[in-house]
Amino acid sequence: DIVMTQSPDSLAVSLGERATINCKSSQSVLYTSNNKDYLAWYQQKPGQPPKVLIYWASTRESGVPDRFSGSGSGTDFTLTISSLQAEDVAVYYCQQYYSTPPYTFGQGTKLEIK
Amino acid sequence: EVQLVESGGGLIQPGGSLRLSCAVSGFSVSRNYMNWVRQAPGKGLEWVSVIYSGGSTNYAESVKGRFTISRDNSKNTLYLQMNSLRAEDTAVYYCARDHGLGEWFDYWGQGTLVTVSS
Repeated sequence: DIVMTQSPDSLAVSLGERATINCKSSQSVLYTSNNKDYLAWYQQKPGQPPKVLIYWASTRESGVPDRFSGSGSGTDFTLTISSLQAEDVAVYYCQQYYSTPPYTFGQGTKLEIK
Repeated sequence: EVQLVESGGGLIQPGGSLRLSCAVSGFSVSRNYMNWVRQAPGKGLEWVSVIYSGGSTNYAESVKGRFTISRDNSKNTLYLQMNSLRAEDTAVYYCARDHGLGEWFDYWGQGTLVTVSS
């Protein structure tokens, strides 16, 4: 199974500042035949189900604000929120879908306001 | 409009059984890969099971042999039969649609809480 490891476990950022969350996979999730990284990012607010933000490592889901961006390839990925808003307080998860089953998630990163 | 509505959760004693349902509107469960994902209280997300459009199934090792995923195409509903429940199965259970053929999960239900305790 591919193990996904996020860092940090929690993060406090001031409003308007940049937030960066990292995700590392235990093996590459880059499918070389199509040059796509099989990596998604989700946001989960308290009491709500997860919501997909980014897929293919860097493609923003429709309706997701452009302050959210994904980058990276192979085994190392980053979710960046360019200017933190109050409504971005949530737990963020990465997920690989390169080798399924099982689909595997990172342990989550809790993002708070400083 | 797409909706996934789970039901069937509750308090159950260790060793007991429970069946969860996920009623879907807005797309056909039979034409999609459908999943169950769970989240223990205060913990992260754990994939549980998938039923493919062709009808075959797969399970996480932690539930293999105890849980069974199925669907009723006429009711457009997904199920999770959970037997031999353990305390560590306590979680919110979400149904979720795979966007494609083994891709990210684009639609999720609100979840149903299963508590296994004596």
